[in-house]
Amino acid sequence: GNSVTQMEGPVTLSEEAFLTINCTYTATGYPSLFWYVQYPGEGLQLLLKATKADDKGSNKGFEATYRKETTSFHLEKGSVQVSDSAVYFCALRTGGGADGLTFGKGTHLIIQP
Amino acid sequence: KAGVTQTPRYLIKTRGQQVTLSCSPISGHRSVSWYQQTPGQGLQFLFEYFSETQRNKGNFPGRFSGRQFSNSRSEMNVSTLELGDSALYLCASSLVLGSAQDTQYFGPGTRLTVL
Repeated sequence: GNSVTQMEGPVTLSEEAFLTINCTYTATGYPSLFWYVQYPGEGLQLLLKATKADDKGSNKGFEATYRKETTSFHLEKGSVQVSDSAVYFCALRTGGGADGLTFGKGTHLIIQP
Repeated sequence: KAGVTQTPRYLIKTRGQQVTLSCSPISGHRSVSWYQQTPGQGLQFLFEYFSETQRNKGNFPGRFSGRQFSNSRSEMNVSTLELGDSALYLCASSLVLGSAQDTQYFGPGTRLTVL
């Protein structure tokens, strides 16, 4: 079956620090990969996505590259802000999508001023 | 364009009762999926509806059911509530059915508490 593994945290960083949240996956078939973000009391917002190997998704200063050889989709940002504090979910969906999105457990990110 | 809306935002029920949650997708989106989010199990796929038919289903008991109307709005029902059903229930809409590439857009969720 499909699965996603990511660090759960909390991850605490100072403002303007460099961020990396690791995400690795196993999938039957060729997946599309997603990062979603959840702010307190809210639903999930799509942050970025990539649908084929070597694609780079980017949005709001965040980036992630689809690495098929290492089955990874690590999230990075060069300089984090306090407003980036949230829970980040890595997810995948395979062709046909019969199982919906498969999510990691989520990484709680805390940015201190 | 308005996003995905879910009602109600909060619900409190007691064991044994049943509950119905509602979801209105983004205009033009025809596929609606439901997910359960709990601290222990994380985010889990419940089911996906398209053209008023359930197309895909996750690993949940038959107490969890749903339906979709001709305007793509969807409802989810949980019968004979158990304490473990306490969760945030998220609805997501997308343009097409079951596509790996298509993006699912999520609503704010309904927080269900079972006492």
